[in-house]
Amino acid sequence: GESVGLHLPTLSVQEGDNSIINCAYSNSASDYFIWYKQESGKGPQFIIDIRSNMDKRQGQRVTVLLNKTVKHLSLQIAATQPGDSAVYFCAVLHGGKLIFGQGTELSVKP
Amino acid sequence: DAGVIQSPRHEVTEMGQEVTLRCKPISGHDYLFWYRQTMMRGLELLIYFNNNVPIDDSGMPEDRFSAKMPNASFSTLKIQPSEPRDSAVYFCASTWANYGYTFGSGTRLTVV
Repeated sequence: GESVGLHLPTLSVQEGDNSIINCAYSNSASDYFIWYKQESGKGPQFIIDIRSNMDKRQGQRVTVLLNKTVKHLSLQIAATQPGDSAVYFCAVLHGGKLIFGQGTELSVKP
Repeated sequence: DAGVIQSPRHEVTEMGQEVTLRCKPISGHDYLFWYRQTMMRGLELLIYFNNNVPIDDSGMPEDRFSAKMPNASFSTLKIQPSEPRDSAVYFCASTWANYGYTFGSGTRLTVV
């Protein structure tokens, strides 16, 4: 099977700083990874994904890094803004199922 | 595209009553997933369909839960009878070829 864990349940950063949210997964056969953002009262919103044949992928202000050797995934948010405050989930596709971690709550201080 | 549409947004029901949650996936998507979210257990996959066929229902907690997908544009998740421990937010998600999942806004279920 697959299990997904996040290193920190909460993260507080200053507006304008960079944020890094980490995630670990257990099964080396997992081949697709997604980061989601969930705001209060809403469903998870797709941020960025990466496949196992890549180490890094960049979007607008976000970067996902994948280290398959240690089975670690991270989401980097550049110049964090108040609107980035939310719970962030990593999700790992394994055996046709998307398995979610517990989430990191990001708070952005003005 | 209107995205994944779920109804109702909120449901309050009494213990023992039947509850039906509804989902309309994104047109053209061939996978549909039902998730449940609670503070204690996070996001749990209950069941998923591919081309309207249930593929894996191992996450369905017990026989009180059932899900159907009669066509490509509609799915239901039914709980009968409902219990207070079923209180949670239920999400539906759809995707094409099992990549880039899109979630609905969820149904917040409260069983009293």
